[in-house]
Amino acid sequence: GNSVTQMEGPVTLSEEAFLTINCTYTATGYPSLFWYVQYPGEGLQLLLKATKADDKGSNKGFEATYRKETTSFHLEKGSVQVSDSAVYFCALSGGSNNNDMRFGAGTRLTVKP
Amino acid sequence: SAVISQKPSRDICQRGTSLTIQCQVDSQVTMMFWYRQQPGQSLTLIATANQGSEATYESGFVIDKFPISRPNLTFSTLTVSNMSPEDSSIYLCSVKGGTDTQYFGPGTRLTVL
Repeated sequence: GNSVTQMEGPVTLSEEAFLTINCTYTATGYPSLFWYVQYPGEGLQLLLKATKADDKGSNKGFEATYRKETTSFHLEKGSVQVSDSAVYFCALSGGSNNNDMRFGAGTRLTVKP
Repeated sequence: SAVISQKPSRDICQRGTSLTIQCQVDSQVTMMFWYRQQPGQSLTLIATANQGSEATYESGFVIDKFPISRPNLTFSTLTVSNMSPEDSSIYLCSVKGGTDTQYFGPGTRLTVL
């Protein structure tokens, strides 16, 4: 079945550092890919998404490109801020399993001033 | 995107009791989902709730423990029955939007003593 493997943390960076969180997936068909962010004490917020190969999702300085050849959707940000401290989840949905959303384990990011 | 609210936002309950969590959406949606997020873990789908039909439960979750109602297209409830400390988790509802996207409520933080 569909699954997501995500780089586990925790990840600790200094402010303005470059961020990469790796995410790879296994799926049949052509799923949509997502990054969600969970700030402390809150629910999940959609950060960005991509629905087909080579699409790039972007939001708030974060980017991720749907790479079908490597089955990856790595999250990147060029310069992180303290306010980016949160847990980030990679997820996929659709493909041959239209209703199910599968989540990675989550990566906790802490950004220090 | 849909605006989703949940009640209560948090609760502390005694073992053996039950808690009903409400999920309200600001627009009519066909599919609603209930997830559990155990401490420090990712999300696990409990069940899918469609209006007018019985909820569909994932492996490991049963209706007697997690009864779900879906009386109309904007509302659903999840009951956690006969609670034990192992039920301490965040419970989240979500709705399906376009292109396989799911939008999440803020979650209900449950502690069982």
